[in-house]
Amino acid sequence: AQSVTQPDIHITVSEGASLELRCNYSYGATPYLFWYVQSPGQGLQLLLKYFSGDTLVQGIKGFEAEFKRSQSSFNLRKPSVHWSDAAEYFCAVGSWGKFQFGAGTQVVVTP
Amino acid sequence: GAGVSQSPSNKVTEKGKDVELRCDPISGHTALYWYRQSLGQGLEFLIYFQGNSAPDKSGLPSDRFSAERTGGSVSTLTIQRTQQEDSAVYLCASSRSGGTNTGELFFGEGSRLTVL
Repeated sequence: AQSVTQPDIHITVSEGASLELRCNYSYGATPYLFWYVQSPGQGLQLLLKYFSGDTLVQGIKGFEAEFKRSQSSFNLRKPSVHWSDAAEYFCAVGSWGKFQFGAGTQVVVTP
Repeated sequence: GAGVSQSPSNKVTEKGKDVELRCDPISGHTALYWYRQSLGQGLEFLIYFQGNSAPDKSGLPSDRFSAERTGGSVSTLTIQRTQQEDSAVYLCASSRSGGTNTGELFFGEGSRLTVL
């Protein structure tokens, strides 16, 4: 069965510092992997996705993620966070018709 | 419409009552999903519609939950005899289908259900 684990429930980061959010997955085949962001009062928005090819994926808002098959990971990174990056981030895995989401990581950005 | 529209945005009901939640997907999107987001939990898959195919209902938590999609567009999620544990945000998402699977889900802002 497919599953997604986001080990960090909550992360606090200073504005301008780097950010890395962890995601580990279990999937029977080559997965489709996604990161979504949910800002307060807003719906989930896709940040980036990985289907195949280059394992380093660039997304919106300056985010990137790296697929590491050997570690079953798809960690999200941003070199320098902005106050507007405060939100909840969800990793998802799946294929057409069913997507499994992680429990989310809440990111707090301090001045 | 421009995005996925859900109504009501907030619903407070008494235990035992039935509720209906509505989702209007993005025009042209043939795939529609319902997820449930409880406090501190991730998104829990409920049901998936794809075109005229039989829906995947494997995520519905009990027979009190049902959903339909009329005319391949608007969907209604119905919860009968609501219980307090049904309190959550119900999210609807739609997606394109076709030869190229983008896999991107477009989410509505959700319907927050509170069962007293």
